[in-house]
Amino acid sequence: GAGVSQSPRYKVAKRGQDVALRCDPISGHVSLFWYQQALGQGPEFLTYFQNEAQLDKSGLPSDRFFAERPEGSVSTLKIQRTQQEDSAVYLCASSLAVGGTGSPLHFGNGTRLTVT
Amino acid sequence: QKEVEQDPGPLSVPEGAIVSLNCTYSNSAFQYFMWYRQYSRKGPELLMYTYSSGNKEDGRFTAQVDKSSKYISLFIRDSQPSDSATYLCAMGNQGGKLIFGQGTELSVKP
Repeated sequence: GAGVSQSPRYKVAKRGQDVALRCDPISGHVSLFWYQQALGQGPEFLTYFQNEAQLDKSGLPSDRFFAERPEGSVSTLKIQRTQQEDSAVYLCASSLAVGGTGSPLHFGNGTRLTVT
Repeated sequence: QKEVEQDPGPLSVPEGAIVSLNCTYSNSAFQYFMWYRQYSRKGPELLMYTYSSGNKEDGRFTAQVDKSSKYISLFIRDSQPSDSATYLCAMGNQGGKLIFGQGTELSVKP
């Protein structure tokens, strides 16, 4: 009965390095979302997958951010040439329903990224 | 102006108090309204889920949605120290993504 699993839990990167954040959703969940949460703020939408298709990437802040879910299960969020403003907690969520809103989002505990 | 506005607090109450948390929003297309609770260094967990206007009660928690005023509330009765957390309102429509408020930090003192 595993929930959404994210790894690593903490990541420290030097400015300019590339990072890859992994999300294992709940088995069978069709929808997968990535959110960015800055300190003291609510989560901000980044991107949404329905199975392997990326249907909405309107929240990705720049072309340095890239997400994939090639087999419709595990997803990876990649950030190239990290900047200090990328420091945040990156949350992954999955949902059983298509579109996500027919059933609740189940969140992982996030990856805390610190760019020095 | 943000689509969803939420007072960040912090809010401090004594144990046993009734807590009222609120959010306003501007997008009349929102149909689904949720409250999440987030403990420190954890992901948000769903507390309440409401479709359209009305009230919903679950134990000590009551969620209210007033679409005409674009205003939602969460009430916590008989608050406990274990309720100390950040409470996030969230809302969405058929498009899929949820829009979150800033979160209200609640502290319940024994």
